[in-house]
Amino acid sequence: KAGVTQTPRYLIKTRGQQVTLSCSPISGHRSVSWYQQTPGQGLQFLFEYFSETQRNKGNFPGRFSGRQFSNSRSEMNVSTLELGDSALYLCASSTGQGYDGELFFGEGSRLTVL
Amino acid sequence: GNSVTQMEGPVTLSEEAFLTINCTYTATGYPSLFWYVQYPGEGLQLLLKATKADDKGSNKGFEATYRKETTSFHLEKGSVQVSDSAVYFCALSVHNQGGKLIFGQGTELSVKP
Repeated sequence: KAGVTQTPRYLIKTRGQQVTLSCSPISGHRSVSWYQQTPGQGLQFLFEYFSETQRNKGNFPGRFSGRQFSNSRSEMNVSTLELGDSALYLCASSTGQGYDGELFFGEGSRLTVL
Repeated sequence: GNSVTQMEGPVTLSEEAFLTINCTYTATGYPSLFWYVQYPGEGLQLLLKATKADDKGSNKGFEATYRKETTSFHLEKGSVQVSDSAVYFCALSVHNQGGKLIFGQGTELSVKP
């Protein structure tokens, strides 16, 4: 079956702009999590959505937001971009039930902020 | 708070050498432990996992044992191959935390022929 799909794969924005990233989970998976990966901070948890509700949230400012649709697809949005937001944004899906931490990751969206 | 510490890289080995990547954790409660691998240009893949103390996870020749007494989950492989070159991440999840994994910093492994 198809894996986790993230779009776009690469994008370049300038400071102050906003960006929306999309994630389509594995069919049947109801949980979608987002992570930010940078060389300095490593992999950091942003938030998780399950059945259209935010279930967990990391320690990121309110400029980072997300949502999940009824078909489990998810989007994350970053407003008022800063240079430090340049990163690889990874989406991961899971069944979200009987959960033991196994996540299936997409290839990521690489954001460059100029 | 919950955290994961793993040995810094990069680690460079010759093919067929023995590999150990150290990982220790701090957690409240009883976490599940994972090793994920990231090949160049790809997303993370689950390599192995252990959900309770003394469990041994294994996959593709890699092994790790959940040691509660030393709060460790070291990754080992008896004979590495060039194709094992990747970044390895140790991670934990805490029960009822859903899709929230806490990752170590990652260890880059480079295997030379």
